[in-house]
Amino acid sequence: AQKITQTQPGMFVQEKEAVTLDCTYDTSDQSYGLFWYKQPSSGEMIFLIYQGSYDEQNATEGRYSLNFQKARKSANLVISASQLGDSAMYFCAMRERAGNNRKLIWGLGTSLAVNP
Amino acid sequence: EAGVAQSPRYKIIEKRQSVAFWCNPISGHATLYWYQQILGQGPKLLIQFQNNGVVDDSQLPKDRFSAERLKGVDSTLKIQPAKLEDSAVYLCASSYTGTSRVQRRTDTQYFGPGTRLTVL
Repeated sequence: AQKITQTQPGMFVQEKEAVTLDCTYDTSDQSYGLFWYKQPSSGEMIFLIYQGSYDEQNATEGRYSLNFQKARKSANLVISASQLGDSAMYFCAMRERAGNNRKLIWGLGTSLAVNP
Repeated sequence: EAGVAQSPRYKIIEKRQSVAFWCNPISGHATLYWYQQILGQGPKLLIQFQNNGVVDDSQLPKDRFSAERLKGVDSTLKIQPAKLEDSAVYLCASSYTGTSRVQRRTDTQYFGPGTRLTVL
């Protein structure tokens, strides 16, 4: 069963507008973490933002914020004031415990294109 | 602080040849990961090291892939012999495992620039 679902294969946004990238997850763990990464065409995976399952406040990092709705099991990424350099693939990932190990479960990604 | 280093950035080989990738993690990061990312998919974990010990290699095709982490720092990933389906981006990542409350809580993985492998 897919544990991380990103339902938007591709998104378009006008420069300077805000955009929301969706992510839903499935886990029976009480303690887990959710991550968003950006992958430009160069291939590097860039860490953007983290949300812990026990964090009461939604995470924010500059223009990135995470809309965490625990009951709905969603962790949407909001990018405010989009820039041309935001055009990239965006991956949602969940840290899952497997025995004594923690591993990341990845979604399939959303391709974001920012139009001038 | 220097990030995760990887080399080479690009590699083109013919099937049945061998290839090796190198990774140097962020200083102080005890955990190192190798991922394979096929075009259009999310990363797939191949192997995870804690210091120089293997934590998880359940998805490593051991008949052709091997990896080692000498002295708990640098790591190499080797493919021998390569197949067409090995064409992918190979990503190395590292994370901190220590006494920092913040880092222990997040286990954030930081990635290198990746190696784009093409097998012809």
